[in-house]
Amino acid sequence: GAGVSQSPSNKVTEKGKDVELRCDPISGHTALYWYRQRLGQGLEFLIYFQGNSAPDKSGLPSDRFSAERTGESVSTLTIQRTQQEDSAVYLCASSWGLAVQETQYFGPGTRLLVL
Amino acid sequence: RKEVEQDPGPFNVPEGATVAFNCTYSNSASQSFFWYRQDCRKEPKLLMSVYSSGNEDGRFTAQLNRASQYISLLIRDSKLSDSATYLCVARRGGYQKVTFGTGTKLQVIP
Repeated sequence: GAGVSQSPSNKVTEKGKDVELRCDPISGHTALYWYRQRLGQGLEFLIYFQGNSAPDKSGLPSDRFSAERTGESVSTLTIQRTQQEDSAVYLCASSWGLAVQETQYFGPGTRLLVL
Repeated sequence: RKEVEQDPGPFNVPEGATVAFNCTYSNSASQSFFWYRQDCRKEPKLLMSVYSSGNEDGRFTAQLNRASQYISLLIRDSKLSDSATYLCVARRGGYQKVTFGTGTKLQVIP
């Protein structure tokens, strides 16, 4: 079946512009995560959605970052007034939900370059 | 202190060698653990879950030591295709936040 998809795959933008990244989770997955991975670095947790619960935004690095999710489907991550340090790969993952042994399935990521 | 710590490597090993990675976690509330593999410029993919009793999948063996708060991954008979970064993951029970280590890079050389 279809996996997690993300768009765009690559995005080049100018400093100060806003960008919107999209994630389509696997159908039926109630949990959705956003991560950031800078070049040569590990995954940095950004935000987590679980069903209709309030999202866990504890990983968002600044108020320029926000994310939304419509029900248990598409999620968008918005970065306002982009800075060069925002350049990274933004990965989305989804899982079925609440079980502790849940596996996360990752999308291919969006490579963001801020000039 | 990072919640999940790994030796970044790189580990350079010849084909056919056995190599082991350790990963330590600091939060004793962590309940489930995983190893993911990430190839260069690709997304992470699940390699295996780690159970208290340890588990084996072909050439790969994962172990969990709760007393010392570390997990390990053993790769036997290394293949060139095993070259990748191996990410250790800890997940807390009752709360779905997942913490990734920064990864250990393995390079298998002919």
